Amino acid sequence: GENVEQHPSTLSVQEGDSAVIKCTYSDSASNYFPWYKQELGKGPQLIIDIRSNVGEKKDQRIAVTLNKTAKHFSLHITETQPEDSAVYFCAATPGRDSSYKLIFGSGTRLLVRP
Amino acid sequence: ETGVTQTPRHLVMGMTNKKSLKCEQHLGHNAMYWYKQSAKKPLELMFVYSLEERVENNSVPSRFSPECPNSSHLFLHLHTLQPEDSALYLCASSQGAGVVVSEQYFGPGTRLTVT
Repeated sequence: GENVEQHPSTLSVQEGDSAVIKCTYSDSASNYFPWYKQELGKGPQLIIDIRSNVGEKKDQRIAVTLNKTAKHFSLHITETQPEDSAVYFCAATPGRDSSYKLIFGSGTRLLVRP
Repeated sequence: ETGVTQTPRHLVMGMTNKKSLKCEQHLGHNAMYWYKQSAKKPLELMFVYSLEERVENNSVPSRFSPECPNSSHLFLHLHTLQPEDSALYLCASSQGAGVVVSEQYFGPGTRLTVT
């Protein structure tokens, strides 16, 4: 079945710098890759997603890139702000069956230092 | 209320108790999910309901019993739990659970402690 690995587990950046979180997946048929942000005491919030027919997607300071050949996708946050501090999860949907199923990475704790 | 709501937000129960977690979605979605989030582990999918029918039971012990009376409400009935069941239980919903994957929206979760 699908396996998703996420790195790094923790990331500390200075305010204004960029942050990059990377995920790899194992199922070449996977076709949907969302990213979630989870703040303390809250549930995960969808911040951006990408489907397998697209290589890159941007939304203001957030971008996601997908390399289907290498089976990895990345989250890029530019001009980081203290409110970006949270745990970020990547996920992938196995392509062949169970289109509703999300396999999550283990999470990255991002700390943005003022 | 908007989005996905969950009650209670915190629950402490003994191993012999019976309790229920409630989830309600106000998004007009047709699919609902229960996830378990434990410390230092990825989110684990427990159950999926599509149009009030269970379509996934991810090898969850029978001490967890889901119920979906309609497309807006989802319950998780708990009985005879173990301390290792202590975790954050998250509910999510999506537009459908069909061929084309749709975005999942999560509630705030219920923090469960089993003593």
